[in-house]
Amino acid sequence: KAGVTQTPRYLIKTRGQQVTLSCSPISGHRSVSWYQQTPGQGLQFLFEYFSETQRNKGNFPGRFSGRQFSNSRSEMNVSTLELGDSALYLCASSPGGYPDTQYFGPGTRLTVL
Amino acid sequence: GENVEQHPSTLSVQEGDSAVIKCTYSDSASNYFPWYKQELGKGPQLIIDIRSNVGEKKDQRIAVTLNKTAKHFSLHITETQPEDSAVYFCAASRRGGSEKLVFGKGTKLTVNP
Repeated sequence: KAGVTQTPRYLIKTRGQQVTLSCSPISGHRSVSWYQQTPGQGLQFLFEYFSETQRNKGNFPGRFSGRQFSNSRSEMNVSTLELGDSALYLCASSPGGYPDTQYFGPGTRLTVL
Repeated sequence: GENVEQHPSTLSVQEGDSAVIKCTYSDSASNYFPWYKQELGKGPQLIIDIRSNVGEKKDQRIAVTLNKTAKHFSLHITETQPEDSAVYFCAASRRGGSEKLVFGKGTKLTVNP
């Protein structure tokens, strides 16, 4: 089976812009979770989608949003980018029958200038 | 909410020695504890996980132990090899119909040849 794929792998944006990141889960997986990884804060949970519904949300401002499509692919969007949003954004997928093993993609490295 | 503490933050061992990484969690409702290995430029890769109805699990050179009473779990790597060098993360997940993982801050393991 192909693993979790994320596009793009690298992204450079300027403050105030918005960005959309994409994640394709492992075939058959219905749950997609997003995490932000920074040197200072480590790995932090953003949100999880299961069958197109947000099932849980972390402590991030409303500028961070996501969605999931009927084929389980997911996107996350960050609006009005700030310098502090520079991070590695990781997507993880699982079958969805909690608690399940989560498999991570390679991440999207976002740099905000 | 859940808090996961991980120690040490860095660990250097000689090839062939054992390495032990320890984590504590705060939420007694947590019942799933995975360990991930992250190499430079890659997403976290699951190496072993344990559920709260099990006290110990072993997979070749890697073992994890769980003490529910003390809210403590540990990763043991025996006969370390240079390719074990990476950052290791512990995580915890609680019951509640979500795949949310709360991660420790990570341990950078260096295995010296």
